[in-house]
Amino acid sequence: EIMMTQSPATLSVSPGERATLSCRASQSVSSNLAWYQQKPGQAPRLLIYETSTRATGIPARFSGSGSGTEFTLTISSLQSEDFAVYYCQQYDNWPTWTFGQGTKVEVK
Amino acid sequence: QVQLEQSGAEVKKPGSSVKVSCKASGGSFNNYAINWVRQAPGQGLDWMGGILPIVGSPQYAQKFQDRLTITADESTNTVYMELTRLTSEDTALYYCARDYESYSGVLDPWGQGTPVSVSS
Repeated sequence: EIMMTQSPATLSVSPGERATLSCRASQSVSSNLAWYQQKPGQAPRLLIYETSTRATGIPARFSGSGSGTEFTLTISSLQSEDFAVYYCQQYDNWPTWTFGQGTKVEVK
Repeated sequence: QVQLEQSGAEVKKPGSSVKVSCKASGGSFNNYAINWVRQAPGQGLDWMGGILPIVGSPQYAQKFQDRLTITADESTNTVYMELTRLTSEDTALYYCARDYESYSGVLDPWGQGTPVSVSS
């Protein structure tokens, strides 16, 4: 099973600042990496797939990069609605998909 | 635009089974896999398994292989997840989620979640 490790566990950021979240895979997942946002009491929402492609309706302030085993989600200028938990997920190792443990982005 | 509607909350005894449904509406059902993901209280996301209705052969995460059954009913656009031999560690919010466009394993949209509580 491919293990996904996210860092940091918690990221304290002020509104308007940039947030950079990291995700590492235990083996290469090529570009088959997605990011999800989850707010309290809500189901996760797809933000990014194929490492860097924004899902429909996702604002341009969200961007993804990386390949192989190292990936990054960047939120260029945090808005109030962006404070949430973010999960990375690999979908390279069919049919077993695995998630990272999540990074909580909180108000500094 | 597809929407996924899940069945309601469940309270179960240890050793029993639970069956949760996920009904798709507003889009194609047969050609996209439906996955099940659970989230224990305060924890992260754990993929359990999935099924492509047009094929009908489910895939399971190894940790659930011996007590998870996922089935699809094409006549009602509904996928079912049954988990047996429940323990308190199965207390969680259970989500269904469809594959996004043609990307197998990319999950969107998601159902609203079904809380399952296991307690004696």
